[in-house]
Amino acid sequence: ELKVEQNPLFLSMQEGKNYTIYCNYSTTSDRLYWYRQDPGKSLESLFVLLSNGAVKQEGRLMASLDTKARLSTLHITAAVHDLSATYFCAVPPRSYNTDKLIFGTGTRLQVFP
Amino acid sequence: DAGITQSPRHKVTETGTPVTLRCHQTENHRYMYWYRQDPGHGLRLIHYSYGVKDTDKGEVSDGYSVSRSKTEDFLLTLESATSSQTSVYFCAISDLTVPSYNEQFFGPGTRLTVL
Repeated sequence: ELKVEQNPLFLSMQEGKNYTIYCNYSTTSDRLYWYRQDPGKSLESLFVLLSNGAVKQEGRLMASLDTKARLSTLHITAAVHDLSATYFCAVPPRSYNTDKLIFGTGTRLQVFP
Repeated sequence: DAGITQSPRHKVTETGTPVTLRCHQTENHRYMYWYRQDPGHGLRLIHYSYGVKDTDKGEVSDGYSVSRSKTEDFLLTLESATSSQTSVYFCAISDLTVPSYNEQFFGPGTRLTVL
């Protein structure tokens, strides 16, 4: 059974600082998805990583995928308050069956002045 | 934004009553999903559909049933609601097409409270 673990679960960081959120998963998969959720809102797709070594960047966020290590990272550069949200990674349960996703429990990010 | 609506957006009901939540999409996507979101558990898949009248169970399907008679509508039914089904329910849609296989797009959510 696929397990998707994120750490940290909660991150409080100062504006202007850098930090990385980690997503580990337990079975082989060559794709991974990152989502953002603002409090009381729905989930918004951030990044789709479709192969080993994939790197995507959007503003102050950069996501990467290492399928051999079964690890994805979401790096935050020079954090700003607007990045405060919960971030989820999600992985298909099997590499040949991608019609479902298993979500991590999320990392709640709080950026303070 | 993907054209996904959920109804109702909020519902309070009593234990033992039936409840049906509706998800409606205008994107003509093949796949539709129902998740529940609870603190400490992230999102957990309840049921999903891979076509009209084609559905399958997710990881927390007990106590829930679904139906999909049209591409655009996916219904989630709680036959006899229990307090443990108090949650926020999200519908999602996707299409397994290049270039972003199974990127799922989420509806606004339904907050259900079972008293």
